[in-house]
Amino acid sequence: DAKTTQPNSMESNEEEPVHLPCNHSTISGTDYIHWYRQLPSQGPEYVIHGLTSNVNNRMASLAIAEDRKSSTLILHRATLRDAAVYYCILRELIYNQGGKLIFGQGTELSVKP
Amino acid sequence: DTEVTQTPKHLVMGMTNKKSLKCEQHMGHRAMYWYKQKAKKPPELMFVYSYEKLSINESVPSRFSPECPNSSLLNLHLHALQPEDSALYLCASSQGISNTEAFFGQGTRLTVV
Repeated sequence: DAKTTQPNSMESNEEEPVHLPCNHSTISGTDYIHWYRQLPSQGPEYVIHGLTSNVNNRMASLAIAEDRKSSTLILHRATLRDAAVYYCILRELIYNQGGKLIFGQGTELSVKP
Repeated sequence: DTEVTQTPKHLVMGMTNKKSLKCEQHMGHRAMYWYKQKAKKPPELMFVYSYEKLSINESVPSRFSPECPNSSLLNLHLHALQPEDSALYLCASSQGISNTEAFFGQGTRLTVV
């Protein structure tokens, strides 16, 4: 399974942008880059995913390097509710199967008022 | 309905007990997953079911026995557990291909005494 590397923790101020980095130098051509977050005492929650192009949704943006060896999750204006552990995951393409969603250590994001 | 429902929310069991955890989804997803999460650690994949067949077993001890009786239900049968098996057990589902999001339940907090 291809691995991801993330900083253990990051801190942000409320209403400022946050850039959460992820390195995945052993990514294969068919691996999708997924981001999930886990708030305290809850199950993980999907944030965003992409393959090659940058992606935007209502929660965040995903910037993927041209060589796909790294990516950055961007929260445009952090709120106190964004304090969570953010996981960057490589999900391999396996047709007709669930495939593996393997969690790395994640980045614990704290947001200061 | 984008929910994955897990029951019970909390469970305390003795080492000689037999109990079951239940997971249900009505999104038509054909892949379902069991994860185990210890405190301050990322979720660890245990099993993947695809189209009601076990497709991935991450070398989980036989005291954990999964079952997928139909496309909406996933059970985890527990027998002769050890105190170190105490953890949060998470269920997830997805459409079954890697470029779609997975939905997680809130988990069952299991304590083995």
